[in-house]
Amino acid sequence: KAGVTQTPRYLIKTRGQQVTLSCSPISGHRSVSWYQQTPGQGLQFLFEYFSETQRNKGNFPGRFSGRQFSNSRSEMNVSTLELGDSALYLCASSYTRTGAEQYFGPGTRLTVT
Amino acid sequence: GENVEQHPSTLSVQEGDSAVIKCTYSDSASNYFPWYKQELGKRPQLIIDIRSNVGEKKDQRIAVTLNKTAKHFSLHITETQPEDSAVYFCAAIPTGGTSYGKLTFGQGTILTVHP
Repeated sequence: KAGVTQTPRYLIKTRGQQVTLSCSPISGHRSVSWYQQTPGQGLQFLFEYFSETQRNKGNFPGRFSGRQFSNSRSEMNVSTLELGDSALYLCASSYTRTGAEQYFGPGTRLTVT
Repeated sequence: GENVEQHPSTLSVQEGDSAVIKCTYSDSASNYFPWYKQELGKRPQLIIDIRSNVGEKKDQRIAVTLNKTAKHFSLHITETQPEDSAVYFCAAIPTGGTSYGKLTFGQGTILTVHP
């Protein structure tokens, strides 16, 4: 099976702009989780989707949002970008109903200038 | 919520030596504990996991142990090789309740294996 894919791989945006990142899970995986990875904060959970429903959300401001489509592909959106949003954004998919056993995509490196 | 502490933050060993990384967790409801290896510029890769009904699990040169009473789990790598050099992350999640898809990660251990 093909692994988790994410597009784009790299992105440079300006403060105040918005961005949309895409994640395609492993075929058959219905749970998709998103994480922000930074050197200072490590890996932090953003949200999780299962069958088009957000089941869980981390402690991030409302500028961070997401959705999942009927084919399990997921997108996350960040509006009004801030310099501190510069990070590697990782998505992970899981075949388990609990979303526990997760397989990661390569990430999208977002740089905000 | 869950909190995971990981030690040490850096670990340097000679090729052939063993390496041990330790994690403690706070939520007694956590029952699934994966370990990830992340090489520079690569995605985190699931290398081994353990569930709370098991005390130890091995896969070739890597093993994980779990002590539920003390709320800690450890990764053991034997006969280390230079290609084991990477950042290793532990994580925990309670698979009951509403913590869907939320792995709580430790801060990571940078393992360097010197030839």
